Amino acid sequence: ELKVEQNPLFLSMQEGKNYTIYCNYSTTSDRLYWYRQDPGKSLESLFVLLSNGAVKQEGRLMASLDTKARLSTLHITAAVHDLSATYFCAVDPRPGPITQGGSEKLVFGKGTKLTVNP
Amino acid sequence: GAVVSQHPSWVICKSGTSVKIECRSLDFQATTMFWYRQFPKQSLMLMATSNEGSKATYEQGVEKDKFLINHASLTLSTLTVTSAHPEDSSFYICSVTSRTGWGRAFFGQGTRLTVV
Repeated sequence: ELKVEQNPLFLSMQEGKNYTIYCNYSTTSDRLYWYRQDPGKSLESLFVLLSNGAVKQEGRLMASLDTKARLSTLHITAAVHDLSATYFCAVDPRPGPITQGGSEKLVFGKGTKLTVNP
Repeated sequence: GAVVSQHPSWVICKSGTSVKIECRSLDFQATTMFWYRQFPKQSLMLMATSNEGSKATYEQGVEKDKFLINHASLTLSTLTVTSAHPEDSSFYICSVTSRTGWGRAFFGQGTRLTVV
């Protein structure tokens, strides 16, 4: 059974600082996703990581995937208050090569609640 | 990308009544949709996979008679919480995965259910 662990679960940081959120998973997978959730809202897709060594960047956020280590990181650079939210990683448990399409349930980490203080 | 519309956004109902939540895929036809439940400050827990034209697949521990799922068309799945109780109060979210999005899930707005 695939298990996904995120750490830290809570993160309080000052504006301008850098930090990394980690997402470990227990079985082989080549597909990992990062989502953001604001309080009382649904989930917004941030990154899709589909291969070993994949790196994606959007603004102050950068996500990477190491399938050999079964680890993804979400790095925050020079944090700003607007980044305060809960961040979830999710893993597709299907093994095998990456193909487009199809639907499979995702397994989510517990989420990291990020608070960026002025 | 896919756009998913969920309705209603919030609902308050009395114990013992039933509540129906709709999830619509607006951009493409979805043979599969997923229903999640999220308790305050917790992660998403998959409840069931909704399959168009066939029975839903429920996760272990989820009562199929309590959470009725109907996926009668390629763009609409409904979740009905039957005989609701206060412990059913939660945030319910549906999702679809886009064929052009490499498996990325797109989520509805969520429905905040409060049973009083």
